Amino acid sequence: DQQVKQNSPSLSVQEGRISILNCDYTNSMFDYFLWYKKYPAEGPTFLISISSIKDKNEDGRFTVFLNKSAKHLSLHIVPSQPGDSAVYFCAASVGDDKIIFGKGTRLHILP
Amino acid sequence: DAGVTQSPTHLIKTRGQQVTLRCSPKSGHDTVSWYQQALGQGPQFIFQYYEEEERQRGNFPDRFSGHQYPNYSSELNVNALLLGDSALYLCASSFDRSYGYTFGSGTRLTVV
Repeated sequence: DQQVKQNSPSLSVQEGRISILNCDYTNSMFDYFLWYKKYPAEGPTFLISISSIKDKNEDGRFTVFLNKSAKHLSLHIVPSQPGDSAVYFCAASVGDDKIIFGKGTRLHILP
Repeated sequence: DAGVTQSPTHLIKTRGQQVTLRCSPKSGHDTVSWYQQALGQGPQFIFQYYEEEERQRGNFPDRFSGHQYPNYSSELNVNALLLGDSALYLCASSFDRSYGYTFGSGTRLTVV
């Protein structure tokens, strides 16, 4: 049972435009959500997180939005840069429980 | 400041053999989690160690076992290797979940 779902395996965005990566979850007990970025031959790198008591968190070019009623979160990258090309994983946890990852979305930034 | 260090980086084993993977957490981190990432999939949680005890375990068979040492370093052991155990094994360390996990670059295990 996939508790964290990333339904778009890949996404292509023009450099300078906004990249929007989406994620859905099924477990209403999740209270902490994270986004990770992964380059080939490297481990995932923590990008940004959000607690379930918030609906938005911003860090530079990265903003995460949380819609608890829809069990949906999204990561916005503005403006998109070539170095943003990577696989992005959505993840979630309950309390100090394990972090559960989605399957990832491969983002291609086009010149 | 060194991040999470994993060894070896690559490993080839034969079906039925046993393997030990090693992880040194980031300085200041006391919790180590292990994940398996198959091709095209997200990381799957294997187990987590804290204070030298297995604190949580994912849906993996008993062939997968681990250990954490007093210096917080950790090992992942897999017995009776199957072809399906071929994957990237990731170690992650943490001390407070609000900062997320710090991952190592992983060990690529190939079972032939």
